[in-house]
Amino acid sequence: GQNIDQPTEMTATEGAIVQINCTYQTSGFNGLFWYQQHAGEAPTFLSYNVLDGLEEKGRFSSFLSRSKGYSYLLLKELQMKDSASYLCAVVTDSWGKLQFGAGTQVVVTP
Amino acid sequence: KAGVTQTPRYLIKTRGQQVTLSCSPISGHRSVSWYQQTPGQGLQFLFEYFSETQRNKGNFPGRFSGRQFSNSRSEMNVSTLELGDSALYLCASRSGGAPQETQYFGPGTRLLVL
Repeated sequence: GQNIDQPTEMTATEGAIVQINCTYQTSGFNGLFWYQQHAGEAPTFLSYNVLDGLEEKGRFSSFLSRSKGYSYLLLKELQMKDSASYLCAVVTDSWGKLQFGAGTQVVVTP
Repeated sequence: KAGVTQTPRYLIKTRGQQVTLSCSPISGHRSVSWYQQTPGQGLQFLFEYFSETQRNKGNFPGRFSGRQFSNSRSEMNVSTLELGDSALYLCASRSGGAPQETQYFGPGTRLLVL
């Protein structure tokens, strides 16, 4: 079967750092996306990794280890507006089909 | 560029009815994918259309169908609605050429089946 696991919820204070882990076991792998989804809104793109290593984009970084089936999203200098659900999604075939994890709800407290 | 648009935004139907949802992709995008999002199952892939052809399909019953028009707009139809079909239906568009292309999501249609 196919499995993508993320923690359900994480809480952190403003200004802190939070790391959201994602482990996957899928029949195919053609890259991994991270999306952010605020309540009642559409998911928006944060990052894409297909090669092992760290991709940094401002306050957000994403890491991938294909051999371990593992990725993480690092959110630095947390702001209140970062309170949202973070979705890990694996590209499982050559057409770009996405399989999503259940999402991690991040709650940022003052 | 205008983003992905979906209509209607909200819909209430009763069991046994059918519903059609519409998605207009970003201009120039030829691929449209549909997803169902529920609190219990998360985001699940329904199907993808590219250049008017269904290119990929998820594990949903045949009551869920779709089509794409020559202008890349796509519609999704659900027949014989069940209570469990209550969900947020999202569509996403991308250019369509490569699997690593970012999918851009619309705001979704929230369907409530009574």
